[in-house]
Amino acid sequence: AQKVTQAQTEISVVEKEDVTLDCVYETRDTTYYLFWYKQPPSGELVFLIRRNSFDEQNEISGRYSWNFQKSTSSFNFTITASQVVDSAVYFCALSALSGTYKYIFGTGTRLKVLA
Amino acid sequence: ETGVTQSPTHLIKTRGQQVTLRCSSQSGHNTVSWYQQALGQGPQFIFQYYREEENGRGNFPPRFSGLQFPNYSSELNVNALELDDSALYLCASSSGGNQPQHFGDGTRLSIL
Repeated sequence: AQKVTQAQTEISVVEKEDVTLDCVYETRDTTYYLFWYKQPPSGELVFLIRRNSFDEQNEISGRYSWNFQKSTSSFNFTITASQVVDSAVYFCALSALSGTYKYIFGTGTRLKVLA
Repeated sequence: ETGVTQSPTHLIKTRGQQVTLRCSSQSGHNTVSWYQQALGQGPQFIFQYYREEENGRGNFPPRFSGLQFPNYSSELNVNALELDDSALYLCASSSGGNQPQHFGDGTRLSIL
């Protein structure tokens, strides 16, 4: 079975603080993909990143960075120097061949960045 | 490049009615997936269409059905609506099974 767990339901930080959103996944597939999406109050899902299971190299994009560790089945997302515009619900998702690449989403983490 | 568009934006129905939601995939994308997102939850996979054929289905009853057309646009049909069907319905398209899915803004369906 495939599963994604985002244990943090809601996080509040003050602007300019760093914040890390946790994601733990389960799959028996050896080839799989991990994603992060942002969902602002308007509702659309905004694609942030995709990683495949063979690429454990961490990635940085501006204030965003991602830490992928197969040993702990985790794919954590860090926002550095958070801003009010970062306030949204963030979803981690998993897709794999055995699931016809459908996305398995976590329950999301609501991030509130306070001015 | 036109993104994924969904219509209508909002819809109000009553129990027992039927509804059709529409999705135009992003240019060049041949795969469309539908998701249901209840309030406070993550999106749940309903089904996926690839080149007009259903290519995977989630844990949803048969009253949830779909179609994909030759231009790769898609419809989601829900019969005998129930109160629990109230949710945001998201359509996503991609250029292949393992490619990133791009989501539309969703249709918010309310059942009274």
